Amino acid sequence: GENVEQHPSTLSVQEGDSAVIKCTYSDSASNYFPWYKQELGKGPQLIIDIRSNVGEKKDQRIAVTLNKTAKHFSLHITETQPEDSAVYFCAAGGSYIPTFGRGTSLIVHP
Amino acid sequence: DAGITQSPRHKVTETGTPVTLRCHQTENHRYMYWYRQDPGHGLRLIHYSYGVKDTDKGEVSDGYSVSRSKTEDFLLTLESATSSQTSVYFCAISESGSGNTIYFGEGSWLTVV
Repeated sequence: GENVEQHPSTLSVQEGDSAVIKCTYSDSASNYFPWYKQELGKGPQLIIDIRSNVGEKKDQRIAVTLNKTAKHFSLHITETQPEDSAVYFCAAGGSYIPTFGRGTSLIVHP
Repeated sequence: DAGITQSPRHKVTETGTPVTLRCHQTENHRYMYWYRQDPGHGLRLIHYSYGVKDTDKGEVSDGYSVSRSKTEDFLLTLESATSSQTSVYFCAISESGSGNTIYFGEGSWLTVV
């Protein structure tokens, strides 16, 4: 089955800096890569996703890039704000139920 | 927010007792899932359903059973709770099992003492 590795497990940045979270996957058949944000005490919520027919997707301060050859994809958050502090999960899927990474705890210091 | 309601939201139970968590959706999505979330392990799939009375195991299904008698309801049962089942449980839904967004509920915090 699919194996998703996510790094780093914890990321601490100053407000205004950029943050990058990276994931690798093992199954070359995967073609759907969502990212979720989980705030304390809540369920994960989709923030952005990308499919294998595009290499990059942006939505305001967040962007996701995909390198299918290397089988890795990344989440980029620019101009971080304290409200970006949360746990972020990547996932990889395709013809099967997505497999999730173990999560990255992002801490944005004011 | 996706129309997913989990109950109970918090529960403390004793080792060896049966526990049932309920998930109710108002989106008429075909797929429903139960995940558990533990520190260092992320989200792990316990069981999922792809239709009424159609269920399958996930990666951590031992000690759990599920039932789906109606499209909108998916039950997770711990037949005899153990301390290792202390966790946060999330119900989720999606229109299909592949390539569609999975929407999560707000979670059920279970403590087994």
